[in-house]
Order: sequence, then C-alpha cells, then structure tokens
Amino acid sequence: GDSVTQMEGPVTLSEEAFLTINCTYTATGYPSLFWYVQYPGEGLQLLLKATKADDKGSNKGFEATYRKETTSFHLEKGSVQVSDSAVYFCALRSNSGGGADGLTFGKGTHLIIQP
Amino acid sequence: KAGVTQTPRYLIKTRGQQVTLSCSPISGHRSVSWYQQTPGQGLQFLFEYFSETQRNKGNFPGRFSGRQFSNSRSEMNVSTLELGDSALYLCASSTGTLETQYFGPGTRLLVL
Repeated sequence: GDSVTQMEGPVTLSEEAFLTINCTYTATGYPSLFWYVQYPGEGLQLLLKATKADDKGSNKGFEATYRKETTSFHLEKGSVQVSDSAVYFCALRSNSGGGADGLTFGKGTHLIIQP
Repeated sequence: KAGVTQTPRYLIKTRGQQVTLSCSPISGHRSVSWYQQTPGQGLQFLFEYFSETQRNKGNFPGRFSGRQFSNSRSEMNVSTLELGDSALYLCASSTGTLETQYFGPGTRLLVL
C-alpha cells in the first residue's frame, strides 16, 4: 500500500536558518502530494501541494518540488521564524481508479525554532 | 467563508459507551472525510462520504461508522468504546473526492 516517510525530529533550528524536511513516498500510480502544518491544539492547515511530477508548490516562503524520479517531496524554507514552530506532515493521495483514496500521512516532523 | 466546524471539541466517555461526533463542511463542499490522530499510530484515514454515499473506507473495525446528510454535514459514531479509541478525530471537507481537503479543529475524545 501507499506510505510516506519523513524525519520525526524534533528538529531544532535558530531563527533565520535554512530549513529542509525530507519526505519520500511509495505509491502506485501518480499521487498528489501535500504538506500540512499543525499548530498546538489545532487541526491541520494545508501549507502547499503539488499534483504532478516537477510541479513546485509554494506558500508563506515554503517550497516543495514533486520529484517522481526520487519519489520525494522535500519541504524547504530559506529563513525560518519562531512562528514556524509546529508539526509538519507530508501526505499523499492516490487515485485508485475507483475514486481518490484517503490521505496517507507521514508521522510528522516537530520543528522548533529558537530566537 | 467559514471553515470546517466540528462539535463537540472535547469529550470524555467511559469504556463500553458509544459516541457521535459532528462535522459541518465548508459551504459548497460535498465531500467529507474523517481521520483519527493518535501519538502511536499518527494520522489514519477512517472513511469518506460524498453526496451521502460512503466512497472509501480505511482499515478500522465496524465499531466505527459514519453518515452524511443531504446538506453535506456528517457524523461519525463509535460504538462500544475502548481505551485505545482515545484520540483526536479530524474531519476534512473538499469540493470533490479528488480535490484538496481542508481540516477542522478536531474533536478530542478521551475514553476512561
């Protein structure tokens, strides 16, 4: 079945540092890929998405590129802020032919940004 | 536009009881999905409804069930609660079954 692998952390960085959170996936067909963010006590917020190979999703300074050849969707940001502290989830959604499957999530990466 | 709303936000039940959680999707969204989030298992897909029909189901026992009404609001029910059902239950809505899902704040269920 489908699966998503990401570093779990916690990942601790200083403010203005460069961020990379690795995400790799296993799926049949051509899934859509997502990054969601969860702040303490809240639900998930969509951060960015990509629906086909070589697409780049971007939002709020975060970027991720759909790499089919390496089955990866790494999240990057050039300069992180304390307000970026949260848990980040990589996810995919496959179309099994009978309709879209539910989202398959990675375990989440806890990001801590220190001032 | 208002986001996905879930009620109640917090719930405490005892083993053997049953519980019903409610989800109101974003206006115009016809697809509603449910997920369970626990520290051990992470986020797991429960089921998805579109136009009052269950379109997809995850790997959960039959104690977990759901339904969707004609106004797209959805409920999920868990019967004969077990301690392991303690979790954050998240609802997500989308315009269609292949579209991006938007999540509500969740209902935190504690089973004692």
